[in-house]
Amino acid sequence: EAGVAQSPRYKIIEKRQSVAFWCNPISGHATLYWYQQILGQGPKLLIQFQNNGVVDDSQLPKDRFSAERLKGVDSTLKIQPAKLEDSAVYLCASSWRGTGELFFGEGSRLTVL
Amino acid sequence: SQQGEEDPQALSIQEGENATMNCSYKTSINNLQWYRQNSGRGLVHLILIRSNEREKHSGRLRVTLDTSKKSSSLLITASRAADTASYFCAGTSGSRLTFGEGTQLTVNP
Repeated sequence: EAGVAQSPRYKIIEKRQSVAFWCNPISGHATLYWYQQILGQGPKLLIQFQNNGVVDDSQLPKDRFSAERLKGVDSTLKIQPAKLEDSAVYLCASSWRGTGELFFGEGSRLTVL
Repeated sequence: SQQGEEDPQALSIQEGENATMNCSYKTSINNLQWYRQNSGRGLVHLILIRSNEREKHSGRLRVTLDTSKKSSSLLITASRAADTASYFCAGTSGSRLTFGEGTQLTVNP
């Protein structure tokens, strides 16, 4: 079974630039999550999708972050414009349903200069 | 806000010793999960304990849950150098899984 795929693995940008991250979840998993993990901290939920509908985006900074899940499969997370404090690892995860085990990708490490 | 708070923040032990990590959470949960994260990698699910369970075992892992105290513990027995990683507890409330800040475990050979 293929795991959760994320790209790019690393990205360095200047502040005020934009960046996009892509995630392909495990086939058949209805729930997809984006987490932000700042160095030395635990992952913080940004947005949760059930199929292609948003379940929870209460902690997503909507003035600069956006996310979509096309056709209930792949997802993209965009940051525009980026700030220094957005430097973090962006983790995508998926689960068969919303209350069980999550399967994580390797993450996309963003550095904002 | 974080659901779980792990204790200790860092733990250093010798190979062969047992490692115990504790987690406290704030709101009612459906289940509590433990994850492991090696440096620079994604998180890997270790074990899930439901709110009506008190103890669960998986290989060298033992998890307890005390819902009256809103706390859980993860015990790793006979630790190995390869167990060196960060360990996170995460509580499921509704459909949201919220992580704690983690315990960094170092197992010295």
